[in-house]
Amino acid sequence: DAGITQSPRHKVTETGTPVTLRCHQTENHRYMYWYRQDPGHGLRLIHYSYGVKDTDKGEVSDGYSVSRSKTEDFLLTLESATSSQTSVYFCAISGGTDYGYTFGSGTRLTVV
Amino acid sequence: AQTVTQSQPEMSVQEAETVTLSCTYDTSENNYYLFWYKQPPSRQMILVIRQEAYKQQNATENRFSVNFQKAAKSFSLKISDSQLGDTAMYFCAFMKHVKREGSGGGADGLTFGKGTHLIIQP
Repeated sequence: DAGITQSPRHKVTETGTPVTLRCHQTENHRYMYWYRQDPGHGLRLIHYSYGVKDTDKGEVSDGYSVSRSKTEDFLLTLESATSSQTSVYFCAISGGTDYGYTFGSGTRLTVV
Repeated sequence: AQTVTQSQPEMSVQEAETVTLSCTYDTSENNYYLFWYKQPPSRQMILVIRQEAYKQQNATENRFSVNFQKAAKSFSLKISDSQLGDTAMYFCAFMKHVKREGSGGGADGLTFGKGTHLIIQP
């Protein structure tokens, strides 16, 4: 969707290295989310944000941190990547009165 | 915490047939929303249909309709006249309504089921 972009789209990194994924929105939505998708698990919430500098943990937050210094950007950081963090990561935004969600195209992260 | 269960990991039907995907959920909330998302091989998450829990009428979007049974906590998706382009992963999702001070409304995110891989055969 044109209102939300994720970068990078693919990344391969080594175990123990820090990794930052970026989510950028142009919709001025209040809420932003990071999910991971793994086979057999569907999508699981990592962290979410309900405003600038306001974030909270989701179901699978261990090993991840987030930051939101501007309305449009929500960063997901893996401080020291592990093989168990190999996954597809989705960002989503939500706002307005219809409680709809818009998802980014996903980032495939491989930790070797 | 909410849980969403999709009991059919994979389904396969012939083109033009009708298929029903099942979803059950568990929650103590009374005010919530339910969704069906489609994920084709492109990986994009596409909203198929949405249901507000306070609405008794089942949602319909063209060939897609739901059977929402609030007391049974069931939310199945029916696809009529299935097409080859319907081949995808389908995810059922739950969202509780959370009102945040000063926000006018908001949510803590979606809880997803594990998905059903739907294959439409020519």
